[in-house]
Amino acid sequence: GQQLNQSPQSMFIQEGEDVSMNCTSSSIFNTWLWYKQDPGEGPVLLIALYKAGELTSNGRLTAQFGITRKDSFLNISASIPSDVGIYFCAGQRGSNYKLTFGKGTLLTVNP
Amino acid sequence: SQTIHQWPATLVQPVGSPLSLECTVEGTSNPNLYWYRQAAGRGLQLLFYSVGIGQISSEVPQNLSASRPQDRQFILSSKKLLLSDSGFYLCAWTGQGAGELFFGEGSRLTVL
Repeated sequence: GQQLNQSPQSMFIQEGEDVSMNCTSSSIFNTWLWYKQDPGEGPVLLIALYKAGELTSNGRLTAQFGITRKDSFLNISASIPSDVGIYFCAGQRGSNYKLTFGKGTLLTVNP
Repeated sequence: SQTIHQWPATLVQPVGSPLSLECTVEGTSNPNLYWYRQAAGRGLQLLFYSVGIGQISSEVPQNLSASRPQDRQFILSSKKLLLSDSGFYLCAWTGQGAGELFFGEGSRLTVL
């Protein structure tokens, strides 16, 4: 089945540092999504990408849809303590109703 | 604007008892609806999805069932809970043909 390899699995950084995480797949996706989940809450959509090569920003967050359509990355600039949480990538193929999720990146920010 | 709400937020149930988690979506019509489970290991496992009233697709064999009695209502049930049913359950929706998935607040189930 389809799988998304998300890395790193966890990150420990200092406040103010930049962060980068990515997802790769052996399959082509036509939509990439990035979510953040705070403890005890549902994931919240951060950025949606629909075209190969697309680069989209949402405040301090920037995500890109890889040109091969098999990968995507998320960058967070100048991290702050509230960036702590689990970040998930997700991909959709064609008109498939189901998303494929990565296993998440746990981000810890030390103030 | 669209909203999704699920309840209860927290549930502690004995083994063998029944379960009913409810989810409703407001502000949209004919959504695709989903139930996910998130175990302690963080991954999101798709349990059921529905593209219309009465239409349920099951992703994994298990002790749970889902129903969609109304267009914007999705229910997750069990007749007899197992210890392994403990976890964090998430309801979610998408529009028809849209890839963006929106999650509810989650329901924490502990089976003792």
